[in-house]
Order: sequence, then C-alpha cells, then structure tokens
Amino acid sequence: GQQVMQIPQYQHVQEGEDFTTYCNSSTTLSNIQWYKQRPGGHPVFLIQLVKSGEVKKQKRLTFQFGEAKKNSSLHITATQTTDVGTYFCAGPIQGAQKLVFGQGTRLTINP
Amino acid sequence: GAVVSQHPSRVICKSGTSVKIECRSLDFQATTMFWYRQFPKKSLMLMATSNEGSKATYEQGVEKDKFLINHASLTLSTLTVTSAHPEDSSFYICSALPHKGHDTEAFFGQGTRLTVV
Repeated sequence: GQQVMQIPQYQHVQEGEDFTTYCNSSTTLSNIQWYKQRPGGHPVFLIQLVKSGEVKKQKRLTFQFGEAKKNSSLHITATQTTDVGTYFCAGPIQGAQKLVFGQGTRLTINP
Repeated sequence: GAVVSQHPSRVICKSGTSVKIECRSLDFQATTMFWYRQFPKKSLMLMATSNEGSKATYEQGVEKDKFLINHASLTLSTLTVTSAHPEDSSFYICSALPHKGHDTEAFFGQGTRLTVV
C-alpha cells in the first residue's frame, strides 16, 4: 500500500544548530502536510504544500516539496528549545480524504 | 482555526471493562472523522474512518467488534474500546477535516491516554 517514509527517526542537536527531516512517498502526492507534536501533546498542523517544487517559509522553518511531488523536507535554522517535539509529514491516500503519516522525526535540543 | 475537542484526556480502567471516547467538532460540521492510535514514540496509525450516518470504515487489522465507532451527528464521533485489555493501553487521537476535498488540513483532538490495568 501507499507508504510515507521519514528520516531520521531521531535527531539531537545543540541549540542554535540547524535541523532537517526528510519525507519520501511511494506514490505521487496531491499535497503534503507537516505537523508538530510536542511531548505529551497532539499533532498540530504546520503547513501544506501543493505545487511541484514549492518552497514555503515560516520564520526559521523552510518547507520544500519535490519536483516529482514524492518527497519533501523541513529545515529549521538555528534551533531553539521551543522547537523540541516530533515532526510528522503526511500525505493523502489516493482517492481518499484520509492521511498516511510518516514515522516522524523526534527532535531534542541541548540548551 | 477549527477546534476539535476530545474527552476524556486520560482514563484508567480495569481489564474487561469498556471505555468510550468522544470526539467533537466545536465550530464546524464534520461528516468524516478519523481515529488514530499512537504507541509511545511512534507514529499515528489510522484505525478507522468515521462516517456520519453510516458504518465506519476500518483499516486492515483493526477489529471492528473491539473498537466500536459511532458517528451519530455531524459534530460527534465516539470510539468505544470494548472488553479492554492491557495491550489496548495507548494514546488514541481523533481528527476531523473542516472542509471537503483532499487539499485540507486535519485538526486533531487533544488525545486520550488509555491505561488498562
């Protein structure tokens, strides 16, 4: 079935360092969404990318959608302790509204 | 943004009992809601799609008689874990889409941490 793979599974950085998580789908996606889940919390929507090659920025966060619409990345510049959490990418299953989630990348930061 | 409320946030129950979890869309109507299960430090696993006024659609490997889903109104879906056992202990999260179509973000409830003792 349709799969969304995400790497790395874990990432530990020093505060101020950059961080990147990568997402790859086994099929072409109509869009890709990114969510953040803080420890003990629930996933919160960050952004949605729809167009091939699209790049969006939210302050220190940069999101990219690949030309083939099968891969995506989230890059955080100069991490802060508030960035701690697990970042999930998700894509809609073809022909359905439901989402398939990547395994998530858990980011921890050493202050 | 749209608000999805899930209740209870935590529940501890004895093995063999049933637990009902509610998921409400507070400021929009949701013809479709989704129920996920999340194990510690793992991703969200879709359990079922809850459809208002009709039967839920379960993912492969999810026991429909074990996890009963009822979507009685456009703002409420419930998940009942029947005859709960310790292996059912997990974090259960619902989500809803405030708009139809594929290009729309999902709003999640706060989640329910179920512990079966």
